[in-house]
Amino acid sequence: AQRVTQPEKLLSVFKGAPVELKCNYSYSGSPELFWYVQYSRQRLQLLLRHISRESIKGFTADLNKGETSFHLKKPFAQEEDSAMYYCALRSGGGADGLTFGKGTHLIIQP
Amino acid sequence: GAVVSQHPSWVICKSGTSVKIECRSLDFQATTMFWYRQFPKQSLMLMATSNEGSKATYEQGVEKDKFLINHASLTLSTLTVTSAHPEDSSFYICSALRRRASDEQYFGPGTRLTVT
Repeated sequence: AQRVTQPEKLLSVFKGAPVELKCNYSYSGSPELFWYVQYSRQRLQLLLRHISRESIKGFTADLNKGETSFHLKKPFAQEEDSAMYYCALRSGGGADGLTFGKGTHLIIQP
Repeated sequence: GAVVSQHPSWVICKSGTSVKIECRSLDFQATTMFWYRQFPKQSLMLMATSNEGSKATYEQGVEKDKFLINHASLTLSTLTVTSAHPEDSSFYICSALRRRASDEQYFGPGTRLTVT
């Protein structure tokens, strides 16, 4: 069975400080990993995915197969980054559903 | 962009009644849609995969006779909670799969169901 673990329910950092949201996964095959973000009163939206290897809103995430991790990082946090962040895994092809972690509530303090 | 809507956004029903939730892809066709359930302060749990023109695939532990899914067109999937009970109260979220190179899921805003 696949599993996604986000150890931090809540993470609070000051504006301008670096941010790292942790995500670990367990899956026997080659998964696709995603980070989704949910801003207050908005729907879930894709932030980034490991196969695209791009930076969105200053966030990056690298898939580390050895450590089975997909941590989300940003060097300088901004107040508008405050949101709920979910790490998710897709096991097979594009038509498979997602397995989500429990989410981390990121609060950026001014 | 790709927009997914859900209707209703919230619903209150009495125990024993059935309630239908609609999920629509507004500007793209989706042969595959997904239904998730989110309990308060918890993560999204995949309930089922809805495929246009065929039977839905349910995740382990999800009662298919209780959560009826119909995907009758390329833009509409419905979830019917039959004989609802208070424990069915939850936030139900759908997503629609846009089949392109990225195979991205677009999420609806969710439906809050309260069973009294």
